Amino acid sequence: EIVLTQSPGTLSLSPGERATLSCRASQSVSSSYLAWYQQKPGQAPRLLICGASNRATGIPDRFSGSGSGTDFTLTISRLEPEDFAVYYCQQYGSSPRTFGQGTKVEIK
Amino acid sequence: QVQLQESGPGLVKPSETLSLTCTVSGGSIGTYYWNWIRQPPGKGLEWIGYIYDSGSTNYNPSLKSRVTISLDTSKNQISLKLSSVTAADTAVYYCASFYTGGVCHRAFDYWGQGTLVTVSS
Repeated sequence: EIVLTQSPGTLSLSPGERATLSCRASQSVSSSYLAWYQQKPGQAPRLLICGASNRATGIPDRFSGSGSGTDFTLTISRLEPEDFAVYYCQQYGSSPRTFGQGTKVEIK
Repeated sequence: QVQLQESGPGLVKPSETLSLTCTVSGGSIGTYYWNWIRQPPGKGLEWIGYIYDSGSTNYNPSLKSRVTISLDTSKNQISLKLSSVTAADTAVYYCASFYTGGVCHRAFDYWGQGTLVTVSS
């Protein structure tokens, strides 16, 4: 099983700032099958990024993903008020599919 | 636009079987892989397993001995059964889908709103 470790656990930033979230895998993620999801309280997760760097349909271009192998990054270029949420990485290259433990982006 | 809606009992007794249904609208049930994912209160996400139109399944080894996912194509429904539940199975249970085509193939692109199941006597 691939273990995904996200850092930091919490990121305290102000609107307009840049957010950089990290996801490290215990072994290489096949074909960069790495996704990022956003989850707000009381809501289901929403797909933001797939294939490590492809934005899902309707996702603003302030969200970008990068990385390969075992190290991946989600960047939010300029935080909007609606971006404060919990973010999860997930690998879907091997079974079982696994998620990271999440990074909370909170308002400073 | 695919829409998913979970339903089922919100309270299950320890040692009993948890049973949930996911109803699909706006899409062909034969096109997607249908997954169950759970999230204990205040914690992270855990993939439970999936089923495909052919009836083929893939389960998380951590739950495999207790899980059954099945498909009713006539009703456009996917069901989850989890046996011998304990308090550790208390969670929000989500139905989610992935598709094997397009840019985001195999990522969870559609999610239901989730349903909270509490295991307690």
